[in-house]
Amino acid sequence: EDQVTQSPEALRLQEGESSSLNCSYTVSGLRGLFWYRQDPGKGPEFLFTLYSAGEEKEKERLKATLTKKESFLHITAPKPEDSATYLCAVQESPGNTGKLIFGQGTTLQVKP
Amino acid sequence: NAGVMQNPRHLVRRRGQEARLRCSPMKGHSHVYWYRQLPEEGLKFMVYLQKENIIDESGMPKERFSAEFPKEGPSILRIQQVVRGDSAAYFCASSPKVVTTYEQYFGPGTRLTVT
Repeated sequence: EDQVTQSPEALRLQEGESSSLNCSYTVSGLRGLFWYRQDPGKGPEFLFTLYSAGEEKEKERLKATLTKKESFLHITAPKPEDSATYLCAVQESPGNTGKLIFGQGTTLQVKP
Repeated sequence: NAGVMQNPRHLVRRRGQEARLRCSPMKGHSHVYWYRQLPEEGLKFMVYLQKENIIDESGMPKERFSAEFPKEGPSILRIQQVVRGDSAAYFCASSPKVVTTYEQYFGPGTRLTVT
């Protein structure tokens, strides 16, 4: 069965303390891996799409990387406003449904 | 450039009533997806629609739930005879295309509470 697992479930960091979030996945074929940010009471906000192993993408303090079995979201020198739940999702291939399979998320708290 | 719009944002229904959730995709998007987020659980896919067509409803409960995306107007997720277990946040997402990988953009969600 397709599965997406994120770790840790929760992460507390001091402002400026860099760290990484992990997303491991098992699908028969990967069409794309997506990272989203979700604030309490809001919808997921799109961050990145990764398509193939070795690919990297950056946005401000965030950098996403992809291997054949997992993805990492690196947070460099985080600020309190980076506090949120970070969701990983995969879209499998073959198939044309566009269905996203989500992990449970990592809740990040950055303290000033 | 308006994003995905959902209404109502909050909906309270008594057991046995019907709930109708609406979703207007982003401008230029013709694909709509519905997801459900139960308390303390992750987002789960329910259904994928294009205009006037249901493409994949593999995540939709077999009974009481239905979805449509008419030629004109918003997509609607309909839940008949709601039960307490239907209480959740329902999110709609849209994308311009699915043939190649395209990200999905989410709306703010509708929080359904069944009393």
